[in-house]
Parts: sequence; structure tokens; C-alpha cells
Amino acid sequence: QQPVQSPQAVILREGEDAVINCSSSKALYSVHWYRQKHGEAPVFLMILLKGGEQKGHEKISASFNEKKQQSSLYLTASQLSYSGTYFCGTADNYGQNFVFGPGTRLSVLP
Amino acid sequence: DVKVTQSSRYLVKRTGEKVFLECVQDMDHENMFWYRQDPGLGLRLIYFSYDVKMKEKGDIPEGYSVSREKKERFSLILESASTNQTSMYLCASSLGAEGAREQYFGPGTRLTVT
Repeated sequence: QQPVQSPQAVILREGEDAVINCSSSKALYSVHWYRQKHGEAPVFLMILLKGGEQKGHEKISASFNEKKQQSSLYLTASQLSYSGTYFCGTADNYGQNFVFGPGTRLSVLP
Repeated sequence: DVKVTQSSRYLVKRTGEKVFLECVQDMDHENMFWYRQDPGLGLRLIYFSYDVKMKEKGDIPEGYSVSREKKERFSLILESASTNQTSMYLCASSLGAEGAREQYFGPGTRLTVT
């Protein structure tokens, strides 16, 4: 079952912060985050495993709330290069049944 | 760096034609995947393979088949292309099970069926 992402789209000014949420109705083993720029392939950002850890990648970090089966991606002091569509992907049972969410389109304006 | 390449960036085919999409990865990954991407639907898994000659159906396998004769190569076959198969097709590979390790994507093939 496909995870739900919110918001569907967000527009920011350079330097502003954003949060993208990903939630699932099933018990999760892992959550992945990918970014796809227009006309390019999706690129892996980070993976969070069961255990509620938080990870960081430059000014982009994420958390995984195991009890709520929800992950949030935090973009701090956004840059123009952050524009793109962000996809979460979820897996259960030690990495099986992996499925991507529908994506969140992020636009950062100067 | 992992490199995943796909045979064509753009492809135009006629309804009823047999279509082959090829994907090659150079990092000795066991797992390879074929997705189609449509606006608002994200990436949907068509088929994946966890070893040579092994394949598993994904969420939307109808109308597609796959072939993996060599570890580095994974082909997607549309036996008789239809207009509703017009889409972006993305190939990916990973070292572990599909949800356990990061996936590396190719540039995609935009297929138009007329």
C-alpha cells in the first residue's frame, strides 16, 4: 500500500525551512528519501531504519517515528538547488514490499 | 560511483509493436528493478530481479515481462505496446533487498506509444 505524502506541493523562498511528511498504515522496517530534479533520475538522500533514528545530510535531515509509522524530512535554510520532487519509500518485513509515495513537489524561489 | 544506463532516453513506438527497454549497471548489484513513473502516482514497481534468471512481479506487471540473463543487464519487454503504456520508465539497482539498501537509478526512458 502506497504511503501518503504531505504536502503535495510547497513553494518556498530561499532561506526558508520546510517539512515533508510520509506516513504509512503498515508497520515499517525502513523509510527511504529520494529527490528527483526535473528531467533527471531520482537520487538517494537517506534511509532510516526501524528504531526511530534521525539522520542528516547537509542541511537536510529526517526522523522516523516508529509508533506513528511516520517519517518527516526537514529542509533547513533552503537553497535553489533543493527544488525538485521528493519521494519517500517504505518497506516492511526486513526490507520487503518496498513502495514509493506519490511525491512532494518543492519549489525554491530566489 | 554506481552507474546505471538505459538504452534510450526517448522512444516512440506504434500500438501493437514489441518493445525492448534495456538497463545495464556496473556495480555488481544483485537486485535490479523496473519502475514506471506517471504524474501524481510516483514510481510504481513493475518487476524486480534478485538474481540472474530470477524475477518477481511488482505492483503493476500486467502487459510487461522481463529478462535477466546476465547479472549486469535487466530488460523490460512490452509484448504488444498499448497507448496506456506511454510513460517514463526507470531502471534501478541495489545491493540488498529493495527496502533495505539504497537504489541507484538510470536516467529513464520516455516511451510514447501512438
